[in-house]
This record gives sequence, C-alpha cells and structure tokens, in this order.
Amino acid sequence: AAGVIQSPRHLIKEKRETATLKCYPIPRHDTVYWYQQGPGQDPQFLISFYEKMQSDKGSIPDRFSAQQFSDYHSELNMSSLELGDSALYFCASSFIGPPNEQFFGPGTRLTVL
Amino acid sequence: AQSVAQPEDQVNVAEGNPLTVKCTYSVSGNPYLFWYVQYPNRGLQFLLKYITGDNLVKGSYGFEAEFNKSQTSFHLKKPSALVSDSALYFCAVRDIAGNNRKLIWGLGTSLAVNP
Repeated sequence: AAGVIQSPRHLIKEKRETATLKCYPIPRHDTVYWYQQGPGQDPQFLISFYEKMQSDKGSIPDRFSAQQFSDYHSELNMSSLELGDSALYFCASSFIGPPNEQFFGPGTRLTVL
Repeated sequence: AQSVAQPEDQVNVAEGNPLTVKCTYSVSGNPYLFWYVQYPNRGLQFLLKYITGDNLVKGSYGFEAEFNKSQTSFHLKKPSALVSDSALYFCAVRDIAGNNRKLIWGLGTSLAVNP
C-alpha cells in the first residue's frame, strides 16, 4: 500500500539559509500534518492543512511557512535557519473524519551547520 | 488542559517476559487513543487505537492496549517481548470534543528488550 512520501530524506544547510521540505500524503487522504522532533524528544506539532486550508496551528516559528497544493501535497518552507532547527521533520496524513488516524512518513532529517 | 503522560522514560524487560508501557491521559471529553512506535532512524508507525467498544484493543506485532476510563489509562502490553521490540513508544490522544484534530503526544518511552 502507498505510504506518505517525504523528500528529501536528508538535508544539510548553513545558518541563515532556507530549506523546503515536501510531503506527499497517502492517496485520498485530505489532511496533512507537520511535526518537528528534536533529538530524544516527542514530536512537536507544527501545522496542519485540510483541503488546502490551514486547519490547526501549533508551535511553528514565524520563520516557517507551509501550504498544501491542489494535488494535496504539502511543502514546509523554512527561512533564516538556525542551529536549533536541526531535527527530524515528519509529515503525516489522514482522512478528516474521526478518528483521524495519522500515518507518518519516514521523515526528513535537517542538519543546520 | 489536554495532556498525555508516559511516566517511564525507559522500560527494560528480558526477552520472553511480558511488557507494559504505561500511558495516562487527561482530556475534556471522550478520547481517541493511539500508540505509535519509532524504530531507530525511522518514522513513526501506527500500532493500535482505541475509539470505542471493547476496552482491550489488539494491534500490530502482537501488541495490545487496555483502555481504563476510571483510571484514564491506556497501557500498552505484550505477553512475550522480543528483542526486535526495542524501540521508542509514543502514546497520543485526540480529544473528540470540538474541531481540534491535533494529536497530543506523550514524551515517549524507550523500551529495551534484553536477550
């Protein structure tokens, strides 16, 4: 069965650079979620989209933005990168209806040098 | 406020012994409860969920979890642990009251199964 696809899997950037992470949800899933997971930490919810509209907002920094496109894929744009942005970034997708069981992608490991 | 607690940072069990990973929750209404597993350098994988019905939920890889409303707990269990079960386990809850679809996550419990 098709799973959530994230690209790239690994990304290395310098401080103050920008990065764009991509997420392709499971086909027919209408909701996408973005999470940030620092080393040894639980996933921190950043933002979610339903039908291309932002549905929930979590601890996403102002330097980050995201959107969902007409084909339901989503992109997380990160600007003015800081060392503390180094983390695993997960995307998950689900149907909007309950129980919103979320299926996660493999993650993008971002390293900021 | 909604919250999930996993009181143990780490659980160590011997292979073949039963294992329990604890989770308690606090939500304003009835919860949807989830367990996810994360193997080293891998994404989160769904294990099982409780929505309604039987309090004992069976999931992937032989895991099960027991929903206890009076104790607001959803402990993950397996009758006989395998070394390959060693991973990070996260409990999550969604409060079905309102339109909030976010999952509230526990901090994770590292399970080590010793041969």
